[in-house]
Amino acid sequence: EVQLVESGGGLVKPGGSLRLSCAASGFTFSSYSMNWVRQAPGKGLEWVSSISSSSSYIYYADSVKGRFTISRDNAKNSLYLQMNSLRAEDTAVYYCARMVADFDYWGQGTLVTVSS
Amino acid sequence: AIQMTQSPSSLSASVGDRVTITCRASQGIRNDLGWYQQKPGKAPKLLIYAASSLQSGVPSRFSGSGSGTDFTLTISSLQPEDFATYYCLQDYNSWTFGQGTKVEIK
Repeated sequence: EVQLVESGGGLVKPGGSLRLSCAASGFTFSSYSMNWVRQAPGKGLEWVSSISSSSSYIYYADSVKGRFTISRDNAKNSLYLQMNSLRAEDTAVYYCARMVADFDYWGQGTLVTVSS
Repeated sequence: AIQMTQSPSSLSASVGDRVTITCRASQGIRNDLGWYQQKPGKAPKLLIYAASSLQSGVPSRFSGSGSGTDFTLTISSLQPEDFATYYCLQDYNSWTFGQGTKVEIK
């Protein structure tokens, strides 16, 4: 069974940093591109970042470019999102999602709250 | 960046109704579009990929159509478990979600 479990969310002050993790199981993690998608409270879905299976290709939404860094460790079946210079508008539930043609499996999400 | 305009933003319908949701891309995206269902407090679930292909395990009352700029998600006979918010997602050039359509009980 495919499972994606996010962790690392929490309360952080504006300008602070946080590192999210996504632990994958039930599939060959190293064969799939992975993504982060976020959802602000009461709002719609926003794609954040994507990384190819071997980390050769990395993409970011303009809203996080230069502040967030996506990475993965295929030996640990894990995906990461390093978030720096956090702003109030980064407050959201962050989901990791496996990508085939579309995002076919999602984690349950982890809440990041940026507030003083 | 490609913009996705989804309509309506919300609708009220009854069990058994036929429901149609549309998504329009700001430029042609071939058939690189998926549809997702999200229930409150839950992660999104993939329903349709490549505009018209039904994801494994998804009931056949869900269908998708379209190509280029105009796409449609149809629920042929709305069931109680279908009341949720639906999103389109283009993956032709980067990734962009539509704004969402909330399907509520009439």
